[in-house]
Amino acid sequence: GAVVSQHPSWVICKSGTSVKIECRSLDFQATTMFWYRQFPKQSLMLMATSNEGSKATYEQGVEKDKFLINHASLTLSTLTVTSAHPEDSSFYICSASLSPYNSPLHFGNGTRLTVT
Amino acid sequence: DAKTTQPTSMDCAEGRAANLPCNHSTISGNEYVYWYRQIHSQGPQYIIHGLKNNETNEMASLIITEDRKSSTLILPHATLRDTAVYYCIVRVPLGETSGSRLTFGEGTQLTVNP
Repeated sequence: GAVVSQHPSWVICKSGTSVKIECRSLDFQATTMFWYRQFPKQSLMLMATSNEGSKATYEQGVEKDKFLINHASLTLSTLTVTSAHPEDSSFYICSASLSPYNSPLHFGNGTRLTVT
Repeated sequence: DAKTTQPTSMDCAEGRAANLPCNHSTISGNEYVYWYRQIHSQGPQYIIHGLKNNETNEMASLIITEDRKSSTLILPHATLRDTAVYYCIVRVPLGETSGSRLTFGEGTQLTVNP
């Protein structure tokens, strides 16, 4: 089946630093990738949608200058949390999809970010 | 977006069938019903999806009512490893060339007991 790899699986960083999370589709080309965030005991919240070669579309309330998304190829998208603060500590999960729109989304195993 | 309603939690005995209901009364004609599950601290796992007809794969069966306002996910022989949060999602199409997002609700915490 389709595999989405996310790296790192966990990261601890100091407040004010930036952290980059990678999301790769290993055995298929992903025209679209999605980034989600999940706080403890809550459901997944969509942060942004990225299409290869174009700017990401951010959900309302998500700061695009803080959460930089780059989708430079059909197999790689990156999320950079800039100037991280403790409130950014969360579980970040990426997913990828083949077109057409009704293809199942496949998810990475998530990245646990802790900002101290 | 068509919203879904699921029970907060359910219990099931190991080896028995687990039937997880979902209401999606405002679903549109071109929207698919998707089921995912999330085991603690992992990414969601795709289970099954359907539009109108019942579907079955190696993991589960999906029963969609004729009016499409509700569906049931069936795990035929639940095991302890099936303990997870199960999400029923109606997928909103964004277009033919771009993938469409999944909007997660709160899901059902299924606990399979020995």
